[in-house]
Amino acid sequence: DVKVTQSSRYLVKRTGEKVFLECVQDMDHENMFWYRQDPGLGLRLIYFSYDVKMKEKGDIPEGYSVSREKKERFSLILESASTNQTSMYLCASSFATGRRPPLHFGNGTRLTVT
Amino acid sequence: QQPVQSPQAVILREGEDAVINCSSSKALYSVHWYRQKHGEAPVFLMILLKGGEQKGHEKISASFNEKKQQSSLYLTASQLSYSGTYFCGTPVTTDSWGKFQFGAGTQVVVTP
Repeated sequence: DVKVTQSSRYLVKRTGEKVFLECVQDMDHENMFWYRQDPGLGLRLIYFSYDVKMKEKGDIPEGYSVSREKKERFSLILESASTNQTSMYLCASSFATGRRPPLHFGNGTRLTVT
Repeated sequence: QQPVQSPQAVILREGEDAVINCSSSKALYSVHWYRQKHGEAPVFLMILLKGGEQKGHEKISASFNEKKQQSSLYLTASQLSYSGTYFCGTPVTTDSWGKFQFGAGTQVVVTP
């Protein structure tokens, strides 16, 4: 069974702090994604990566950066957290072969910035 | 631009039917449907790859109309376990990697 693990379920950070959200998948997936989930807005893509050290911006990359040094790990970085980044963050992964295989999601990290 | 889902929410009694629509202003190459129960991760339900194709999962089925750039999810004879938020997702390109966007979701509540 595919497992996508996000390191923290809940995080509380202060404005201006640097925040790291970690995601690890155990299925050798090429693609990894970071989404932000807010009520009424659904899942919005922040960044995705299709290979180690490769990344592309999603729809809302401002204020975020990512790192993928190893295939199984994809980190989301908030360089200077702000209150408008309070949200649920979901990591997902998928294969990059075949006809658009499904995404597998982690359980999410609920981040509160005070 | 994200796909557009309608309705935003629907309340059903057990045994009733419902339809959730997903449309896009861009060409749709394929459509995924996911369900997220409260406090849990979204879970893949099905993928539609061809125009006019219909697939099913339990008594949940879906259709995909490439010409109309839309997909519909049909909840038939709904059960309590169908409650959750349903998302449609679409790739922006035909590649097997790249941007994958979701709609805002449709909250489904099934009552006894």
